[in-house]
Amino acid sequence: TQLLEQSPQFLSIQEGENLTVYCNSSSVFSSLQWYRQEPGEGPVLLVTVVTGGEVKKLKRLTFQFGDARKDSSLHITAAQPGDTGLYLCAGGTSGTYKYIFGTGTRLKVLA
Amino acid sequence: GAGVSQSPSNKVTEKGKDVELRCDPISGHTALYWYRQSLGQGLEFLIYFQGNSAPDKSGLPSDRFSAERTGGSVSTLTIQRTQQEDSAVYLCASRHGQGISANVLTFGAGSRLTVL
Repeated sequence: TQLLEQSPQFLSIQEGENLTVYCNSSSVFSSLQWYRQEPGEGPVLLVTVVTGGEVKKLKRLTFQFGDARKDSSLHITAAQPGDTGLYLCAGGTSGTYKYIFGTGTRLKVLA
Repeated sequence: GAGVSQSPSNKVTEKGKDVELRCDPISGHTALYWYRQSLGQGLEFLIYFQGNSAPDKSGLPSDRFSAERTGGSVSTLTIQRTQQEDSAVYLCASRHGQGISANVLTFGAGSRLTVL
């Protein structure tokens, strides 16, 4: 069974602080996606990484895919209240198109 | 439609009753997914469709759960003899399968099921 563990589970920080969220698995994935979900809505895709070691930046968010394609991290610089939400990683396996989601990290950024 | 539409948005039912949850995906999206989310946690995979076929239904928790997709479009998730542990938000997503957004899952807002 493929599992994606995220850490931390909860994070409450002050505006302007930096943070990193981790997504780990013992399985290899062909792609790794990060989504953000706000209350009462479905998750919305932030980024997809497909190459081991790949780094992508989206404004203040930096995403990295591990060299072995088993783990990923999301780093937020100078967090803002608008970054508040549930962050989910999702692993894709080539040939099946089945996407397994992580356990989630709930982020709250205080003004 | 412009987005993924799910209905009902909220459903309260009594233990033992059957419920049907509907998902209307984005027009032209070939793949459709059902996930379950409890208490704002991560998403639990239930089943996905490619066209009208379900290559992977391994996530369905028990034989009380079934899903179908007709005409390569609308999908229905049916839960028979509901139990309290079935209470959750059921999320549907669709995926185009081609082009630059081939692997982007677009989610609906979910159907919140409460079993009393």
